[in-house]
Amino acid sequence: EVQLVQSGAEVKKPGESLRISCKGLGYSFTSYWITWVRQMPGKGLEWMGKIDPSDSYTNYSPSFQGHVTISLDKPISTAYLQWSSLKASDTAMYYCARSPEGGGMDVWGQGTTVTVSS
Amino acid sequence: DIQMTQSPSSLSASVGDRVTITCRASQGISNYLAWFQQKPGKAPKSLIYAASSLQSGVPSKFSGSGSGTEFTLTISRLQPEDLATYYCQQYNDYPQTFGGGTKVEIK
Repeated sequence: EVQLVQSGAEVKKPGESLRISCKGLGYSFTSYWITWVRQMPGKGLEWMGKIDPSDSYTNYSPSFQGHVTISLDKPISTAYLQWSSLKASDTAMYYCARSPEGGGMDVWGQGTTVTVSS
Repeated sequence: DIQMTQSPSSLSASVGDRVTITCRASQGISNYLAWFQQKPGKAPKSLIYAASSLQSGVPSKFSGSGSGTEFTLTISRLQPEDLATYYCQQYNDYPQTFGGGTKVEIK
């Protein structure tokens, strides 16, 4: 079964760093891009960026460029979303999704809740 | 950025009704349009890609149409399990963008 399994909920303070993960199971990890999507409490979906596991090429939304970093570890089929300095406004649910070559997102992770509060 | 506008933002319909949701793009996106369903407290699920192609395993009561700037998602014979928020998303250009969502309630 094709799955994306995300890491567990995180509670952090403003200014702290964080890395959350997304592990691909049941398919060839390097054949599909991984996309990250943010959903703030009670709000809609926002496209953050994507990474090509075959060459680690990334594409970020200007809204998130410079504030987050998308990376991966190919040998363990895992993609990451990381922050070097969290803000309270980063409090949200974060989803990873698998993106076929033609585009779109066909398989989603279960989501990781990030809470940033002093 | 390409703006995606969904209408209505919410609707209430009866079991068995046919429901149509519209998504408009601020510029032409060919057929690079996907639809997602998000049930309360759950991760989104892919329904349709390339404007009208059904994802594997998605029931045929869901259908999509359109090209260019105007698209529709239709749910024939609404059922209680269809209670959810539905989002469109364009992947014609970067950054990819989502519509604001349509919340479907059951009367």
